[in-house]
Amino acid sequence: DAGVIQSPRHEVTEMGQEVTLRCKPISGHNSLFWYRQTMMRGLELLIYFNNNVPIDDSGMPEDRFSAKMPNASFSTLKIQPSEPRDSAVYFCASSLRGGRLAYEQYFGPGTRLTVT
Amino acid sequence: AQTVTQSQPEMSVQEAETVTLSCTYDTSESDYYLFWYKQPPSRQMILVIRQEAYKQQNATENRFSVNFQKAAKSFSLKISDSQLGDAAMYFCAQGAQKLVFGQGTRLTINP
Repeated sequence: DAGVIQSPRHEVTEMGQEVTLRCKPISGHNSLFWYRQTMMRGLELLIYFNNNVPIDDSGMPEDRFSAKMPNASFSTLKIQPSEPRDSAVYFCASSLRGGRLAYEQYFGPGTRLTVT
Repeated sequence: AQTVTQSQPEMSVQEAETVTLSCTYDTSESDYYLFWYKQPPSRQMILVIRQEAYKQQNATENRFSVNFQKAAKSFSLKISDSQLGDAAMYFCAQGAQKLVFGQGTRLTINP
C-alpha cells in the first residue's frame, strides 16, 4: 500500500514568492493533518481536516498560510508571501477517525522548505 | 491545555542493552491515545507503539514496550536488546483527535 505522499520533497524559494505544498493521504483515511517541524519549536500542528472539512486551524501562524482539502485524496498548504522564518520541514499525516478518537497518524516523508 | 514533556534531550545505550525513555503529559481529556514515534536521520516519522488510555494493560511491540501510569500521566518507552538501527529521535505524543508532541529524545546506540 502506498503511504502518505508529499510533493515536492525539497523546495527552495525566494522571499515573497508563493509556495504550495501538496499531500495525498492514505486511501480510506478520513483525517488529514499538516505539521511544521523546526529546531526551535519542534513539531507543531498547523491545521487538521475531518472528512475534508477544516476542524482546527488554530496552529496556522498567520494569514499568509492557507490550507485546502478539495477532496478525500488531496490537500494543499499554501504560503503567500513566503518569508525566511517559514523555512522548516512540513509534514502531512493522515489517520482513520473512529468515533471521537482518531487512530494513529501516518506521516508522509515531509517537504523541506528553504526560503532565502 | 495539552502538554507533553520529554525531560531527556539525549540518551545513549550500549548495543544489546535496555533503555527507557521518559514522557509525561497533561490533559483534561478522559479518553485519548498515546504514541511513540521514531524519527531517524531520514526524517521520516515512524510509529513505534500505541497505547489506548482506557486500557490498563501496557502495550508491547516486539522489543518495544511501554509503562503507562494513567494517574501519574506518565508514558515511558522501554527498548530491549537495543540495536544500531534504533538510533533516532523519539517523540512521545498524546491526544484524542489532534496530537501534541514532546520535544523529543535523541537516542544514540554505542556499538
